[in-house]
Amino acid sequence: EPEVTQTPSHQVTQMGQEVILRCVPISNHLYFYWYRQILGQKVEFLVSFYNNEISEKSEIFDDQFSVERPDGSNFTLKIRSTKLEDSAMYFCASSNTGGRGGYTFGSGTRLTVV
Amino acid sequence: AQSVTQLDSQVPVFEEAPVELRCNYSSSVSVYLFWYVQYPNQGLQLLLKYLSGSTLVESINGFEAEFNKSQTSFHLRKPSVHISDTAEYFCAVTSGISSGSARQLTFGSGTQLTVLP
Repeated sequence: EPEVTQTPSHQVTQMGQEVILRCVPISNHLYFYWYRQILGQKVEFLVSFYNNEISEKSEIFDDQFSVERPDGSNFTLKIRSTKLEDSAMYFCASSNTGGRGGYTFGSGTRLTVV
Repeated sequence: AQSVTQLDSQVPVFEEAPVELRCNYSSSVSVYLFWYVQYPNQGLQLLLKYLSGSTLVESINGFEAEFNKSQTSFHLRKPSVHISDTAEYFCAVTSGISSGSARQLTFGSGTQLTVLP
């Protein structure tokens, strides 16, 4: 069964450093998403991406965040200057219909900012 | 704006007993509803979905959910649970899905189902 792959599975970074979280969506999917889950809290939407541009973004997705599809297979989330409160599990997801068939999620990257 | 409420944060239940995990949503437009399951240290897996048609939807592992528009609910049920069903369950909603639109999912806060021997 096709999978969404995320790397690394766990990243520790110092406050103020830049981090890039990487995702390889399912190959024939066209819609891509990032979500995050702070420990013990609900899963929160960050951003959606289609046709090489952002479709929607939440209030969380401020100027510190950016997304990119640098080639035909990767989808990345960059946090420019990490803060302690950015510590969370970050999930990438993809879909082939804008979500109608459900979204396929990766297993997540646990980001710890120290 | 859309929102999802999962009324129970923790549901302990004995093995082979029935269970219901409650989910209510609010939205001003037509909705599409999902249940996701998250096992420890894993990602989110789609359990079942309601898009249109029959209001009762089923998963391959015995769970079912019923869309009730008048009560704005999408409760998840299983007649007999197993130890392996222990996980966190998330209800989610989206609306206005159409080609060319990458709409967001809005999640509930989750229900931890713990099946006891």
